[in-house]
Amino acid sequence: DTEVTQTPKHLVMGMTNKKSLKCEQHMGHRAMYWYKQKAKKPPELMFVYSYEKLSINESVPSRFSPECPNSSLLNLHLHALQPEDSALYLCASSQDWGVNEQFFGPGTRLTVL
Amino acid sequence: AQSVTQPDIHITVSEGASLELRCNYSYGATPYLFWYVQSPGQGLQLLLKYFSGDTLVQGIKGFEAEFKRSQSSFNLRKPSVHWSDAAEYFCAVLLSGNTGKLIFGQGTTLQVKP
Repeated sequence: DTEVTQTPKHLVMGMTNKKSLKCEQHMGHRAMYWYKQKAKKPPELMFVYSYEKLSINESVPSRFSPECPNSSLLNLHLHALQPEDSALYLCASSQDWGVNEQFFGPGTRLTVL
Repeated sequence: AQSVTQPDIHITVSEGASLELRCNYSYGATPYLFWYVQSPGQGLQLLLKYFSGDTLVQGIKGFEAEFKRSQSSFNLRKPSVHWSDAAEYFCAVLLSGNTGKLIFGQGTTLQVKP
């Protein structure tokens, strides 16, 4: 299995909702990433997990809460989001943290009403 | 500060014509360079990477890129473009050390004319 999967593909939520995004990989990769991509812009790194520990938080607001329950799974819990948080959320994984290529999932298109 | 510049926001080529997408980077240490492609509403697919060694690297889908340290460039090329190559192309540099942080260029939109 050489792919990163993400669910759901699309998500619409209100500003008071709580929802979660899920990412899964079965390539044995030990580093996983969350990126946010606004329309017509490049992806921006949000979080890095290495060996199931949070290694980097790019000053992301606390309404985004990442979780790595095991080495294959990465979640992003969402609460009290703002309309400007609407974007494509991409998950990626790599063999290890550091000099390795990152493999991206198809993304979750999030709309906050 | 580290940065990646893709000078061309939008490029249109005819099907069957050759393609070159430009990428310039600003980075003090040894650059680890990537090209990714993104179709509308999709994730990013890795086309090729340069870590070290031969400066001409081959990738998937018939793409190649050449690393030129003297020009701080990593341009992507394809000898004959297919309509299915229409997409957004991102050049990226990976910061060294244990960061895992990719710095992306702003992207180049490729349109292919029949």
